[in-house]
Amino acid sequence: ELKVEQNPLFLSMQEGKNYTIYCNYSTTSDRLYWYRQDPGKSLESLFVLLSNGAVKQEGRLMASLDTKARLSTLHITAAVHDLSATYFCAVIQGAQKLVFGQGTRLTINP
Amino acid sequence: DVKVTQSSRYLVKRTGEKVFLECVQDMDHENMFWYRQDPGLGLRLIYFSYDVKMKEKGDIPEGYSVSREKKERFSLILESASTNQTSMYLCASSLANWGVSGYTFGSGTRLTVV
Repeated sequence: ELKVEQNPLFLSMQEGKNYTIYCNYSTTSDRLYWYRQDPGKSLESLFVLLSNGAVKQEGRLMASLDTKARLSTLHITAAVHDLSATYFCAVIQGAQKLVFGQGTRLTINP
Repeated sequence: DVKVTQSSRYLVKRTGEKVFLECVQDMDHENMFWYRQDPGLGLRLIYFSYDVKMKEKGDIPEGYSVSREKKERFSLILESASTNQTSMYLCASSLANWGVSGYTFGSGTRLTVV
């Protein structure tokens, strides 16, 4: 059974700092997604990573995928308050459904 | 702009009531999903459907049923609501080949059972 684990689960950081969220998954998959959820809201898609070594960037967020290590990272550069949210990674299981990590609640303090 | 619409943002129902949560997508997506989200438990899959009139159980189907009579509509039914079904319910849809977004989520329905 596919398991997806994120760490850390909670992250409090200061504006201007860099940090990385890690997503490990237990079985082979050919794509990985990152989502963002604001408090009380639904999830919105951030990135899809389709192959080993894939890297996607949007503003201060950069995601990468290492399929051999079964690891994806979401790197935050020079964090700003607007990036405070919960971030989820998700991996396809059996071509039928996504399995989500537990989510990382990111709080960025001025 | 692609959309998944859930009929209610907030619902309050009484224990024992039959509850219908409706989800409609306008993207011609093949797959549709119902999740519930609870603090500390993440997103848990209740049911999904990959075609009209088809349904598959997810991880926590007990106490729920679903209906998909048309491609664009996927309904979640709580046959007899209980307080432990108080939760945020999220509907999602996707293409059969997943595309670049994976799931597109609806805005969610926060259900309170009293």
